[in-house]
Amino acid sequence: DAGITQSPRHKVTETGTPVTLRCHQTENHRYMYWYRQDPGHGLRLIHYSYGVKDTDKGEVSDGYSVSRSKTEDFLLTLESATSSQTSVYFCATKGGLATLVGFNEQFFGPGTRLTVL
Amino acid sequence: SQQGEEDPQALSIQEGENATMNCSYKTSINNLQWYRQNSGRGLVHLILIRSNEREKHSGRLRVTLDTSKKSSSLLITASRAADTASYFCATERLTGANSKLTFGKGITLSVRP
Repeated sequence: DAGITQSPRHKVTETGTPVTLRCHQTENHRYMYWYRQDPGHGLRLIHYSYGVKDTDKGEVSDGYSVSRSKTEDFLLTLESATSSQTSVYFCATKGGLATLVGFNEQFFGPGTRLTVL
Repeated sequence: SQQGEEDPQALSIQEGENATMNCSYKTSINNLQWYRQNSGRGLVHLILIRSNEREKHSGRLRVTLDTSKKSSSLLITASRAADTASYFCATERLTGANSKLTFGKGITLSVRP
């Protein structure tokens, strides 16, 4: 898994509580991504980062925020979890400059299964 | 909305047969990638084809890209039971320093022993 870990791997929480998921990489990759995977929807991009402190929204960013204070960590926060945020969350990374050959694939973490009751 | 749309949604074949999966997309791209996901695991990159390429091979994988039709196909030859997984196509558009992939909903491939 290219040195990408996610924590926690499983979490059950209640509606209205804050939740933070952590992605940690040891590859010194520039780009980091948070996706959610739901049946019938495939993977959808929540937020991504193209450098330390540089982040941008994906297609399903409402209700989520992110922070990247150092290269190796990318945090995803659900400020007030809702049942619609029950999902499997994947972190991914990509190294180097986007236009260079060999730097275009993304490497995925093992996922975090989040259940919001 | 999602860029890539795979077809079929599910495919069941016998071991040894070839599996062909298709992907269509809507806008211009820099490259198209195929990923595989085993049950309960993260995605793993299989192959990438750039917009100026038409065909690419990697082991038992063959991918084609037709930018005029905005479509791609992934062929797995001589399938094995271990090829059972979900397969996703993803398109990449590069805008300055930003790099994002847009995934399709995936194809579930079952290879019967």
